[in-house]
Amino acid sequence: AQTVTQSQPEMSVQEAETVTLSCTYDTSENNYYLFWYKQPPSRQMILVIRQEAYKQQNATENRFSVNFQKAAKSFSLKISDSQLGDTAMYFCAFTPNAGKSTFGDGTTLTVKP
Amino acid sequence: EAGVVQSPRYKIIEKKQPVAFWCNPISGHNTLYWYLQNLGQGPELLIRYENEEAVDDSQLPKDRFSAERLKGVDSTLKIQPAELGDSAVYLCASSSGTSLLETQYFGPGTRLLVL
Repeated sequence: AQTVTQSQPEMSVQEAETVTLSCTYDTSENNYYLFWYKQPPSRQMILVIRQEAYKQQNATENRFSVNFQKAAKSFSLKISDSQLGDTAMYFCAFTPNAGKSTFGDGTTLTVKP
Repeated sequence: EAGVVQSPRYKIIEKKQPVAFWCNPISGHNTLYWYLQNLGQGPELLIRYENEEAVDDSQLPKDRFSAERLKGVDSTLKIQPAELGDSAVYLCASSSGTSLLETQYFGPGTRLLVL
């Protein structure tokens, strides 16, 4: 069974600064996909960024980027120029090529003005 | 384009009562998911449909939970009878294809409180 660990239950960052959320996973699969989801206080979860394991290049979406270290089974999310609207719970998720997604327990991020 | 719609948004019931949740996915989305999210935890998949077929229901507690997606569009998740431990948020999500890489679009969830 796959496991996803987010070791930081809560984090905070000053507006306009950079923050990194950590995620590690455990799997014996070689082909899989990794995702970061954001769940604002209104609770509707949305996709932030995704990474295919066979791609070496780290995914980037505007202010959001990942540091994917396949050998270390690490998939951290970096948020640059943090904005108040980034305040949310962030979930890391792992999906094997033939299986269901496993989510971590989340990191609550607070962006302070 | 309308997002995933779920109703009701909140439900309070007494234990041993039945309860049902409804989900209408984004138009044209073939795959529909039901997740359970306990407070402070990530979502856990209960069941995944591809059109009207349940392709993964291994985590659905079938003694009390049931789900259907009869016409491959909207779906209903039922609990009968509800237990105190069922208090949680029930999330519905949909995606356009059957690949697990497809982006899942989540609804706002139904918050269930069992007294």
